[in-house]
Amino acid sequence: AQTVTQSQPEMSVQEAETVTLSCTYDTSESDYYLFWYKQPPSRQMILVIRQEAYKQQNATENRFSVNFQKAAKSFSLKISDSQLGDAAMYFCAYRTQGGSEKLVFGKGTKLTVNP
Amino acid sequence: NAGVTQTPKFRVLKTGQSMTLLCAQDMNHEYMYWYRQDPGMGLRLIHYSVGEGTTAKGEVPDGYNVSRLKKQNFLLGLESAAPSQTSVYFCASSYAGGLNEQYFGPGTRLTVT
Repeated sequence: AQTVTQSQPEMSVQEAETVTLSCTYDTSESDYYLFWYKQPPSRQMILVIRQEAYKQQNATENRFSVNFQKAAKSFSLKISDSQLGDAAMYFCAYRTQGGSEKLVFGKGTKLTVNP
Repeated sequence: NAGVTQTPKFRVLKTGQSMTLLCAQDMNHEYMYWYRQDPGMGLRLIHYSVGEGTTAKGEVPDGYNVSRLKKQNFLLGLESAAPSQTSVYFCASSYAGGLNEQYFGPGTRLTVT
C-alpha cells in the first residue's frame, strides 16, 4: 500500500520569504500522480499544485513550485514570496493509478506566516 | 455552480443513534469519495464510488455504509454511532482519475457523545 510522509508537523516563515515543505512517499508503481492541497482555517480543501510522475519537469503555479525527485520518492513544495494568506495546513497526496483513483494523504504540515 | 455541497454542516449524536450525511455535486462527476479527518491523521478514505450504482470500501470503512443511487449524490450512513466516529467528514468528487482535481465539500463536523 502506498504511504505518504510529511516529516514537518509545523513550519514557519517570514512574510515575503521562501519556505519549502517536505513530502516523501512509498510506492511500487511507476506511473502515478502527486498533489499538494491547502486547508486554511475555513477547512476548505484547495488544490495548490499537481504533478504527473512520468513528467521530468517540475510543476509551477505562480509562487508555488515543486521539486519532484522520482528516484528518491520525494515531492517537496516551495512557496516563494510568502503571504499572510498562505498560512494553512498543507497536505501532500498521492493518487493511485486505475481502480479507485483514490488520494492517499500525508498527515499535513501547519504553515505559519509571520508578518 | 455550487460545486460540492454537504448536509448538514454540524451534528451532535448520542452513542447508538443513526444518521445520514448527504453529499451533492453539480459538476457531472463520475467519481465521488468520503473521507474523514482526525487531528494529526490527515484525511483517510472511508468509501468511494466510481459511478452511479457502484460503491467500494476505502481505508477505514467499518461502521459506515454508503449509497450512490443518483450520479450527483453520495450518501454516508452511520447505523449506530460511536464516540470513535467523532470527526470531520469530507466529501469529494472528480471527473475522472489521473491528474483530474478532486473537488472537496466544506466538511461536516460530527460529534458523538
